Amino acid sequence: GEDVEQSLFLSVREGDSSVINCTYTDSSSTYLYWYKQEPGAGLQLLTYIFSNMDMKQDQRLTVLLNKKDKHLSLRIADTQTGDSAIYFCAESIKGTYKYIFGTGTRLKVLA
Amino acid sequence: NAGVTQTPKFQVLKTGQSMTLQCAQDMNHNSMYWYRQDPGMGLRLIYYSASEGTTDKGEVPNGYNVSRLNKREFSLRLESAAPSQTSVYFCASQRAELADTQYFGPGTRLTVL
Repeated sequence: GEDVEQSLFLSVREGDSSVINCTYTDSSSTYLYWYKQEPGAGLQLLTYIFSNMDMKQDQRLTVLLNKKDKHLSLRIADTQTGDSAIYFCAESIKGTYKYIFGTGTRLKVLA
Repeated sequence: NAGVTQTPKFQVLKTGQSMTLQCAQDMNHNSMYWYRQDPGMGLRLIYYSASEGTTDKGEVPNGYNVSRLNKREFSLRLESAAPSQTSVYFCASQRAELADTQYFGPGTRLTVL
């Protein structure tokens, strides 16, 4: 079945780059997404990448997609304390209305 | 636009009690979803409604029922709450197109004693 995996925790120092990784199993995914969840809040879309792209850059965010290895990463440049949150990777399943979410990576930014 | 709203924000139930979680969206979206979020397990889909008048089971539907009351509203009912249903529940909506962005509500934190 479909599955999306992420490491649970990441800790970085303010100003450093953060890289959050995700692996997925469904090779027919149409889009892959990164969502951010701040404490006590719902999920907010950060960025997404279409499955036929390798890279997408959006200000401090860079998404890399390796389709061969089914690996997705999110790089946050110049990480700030306001970036502390849980980051979820998600894939949309082709031909359906379903999303599959990863377990989420809790990013802690140390001042 | 309020986006996706959910009520209540918090709820405590005793085992066996029933309740309905409400969700509404004002973005004229066709599809709506209910997820539960548990520590270390990410979000799991309970039910979804691809369009008004249709509902389908997701990954973890047991113990829940849903109603797509109209295009705006999608409710989730627990008929006989169990401690295993203690969780944070999120409603989401998306436009008709497949694989479009989902927009999330703020969540309902439910505790079943």
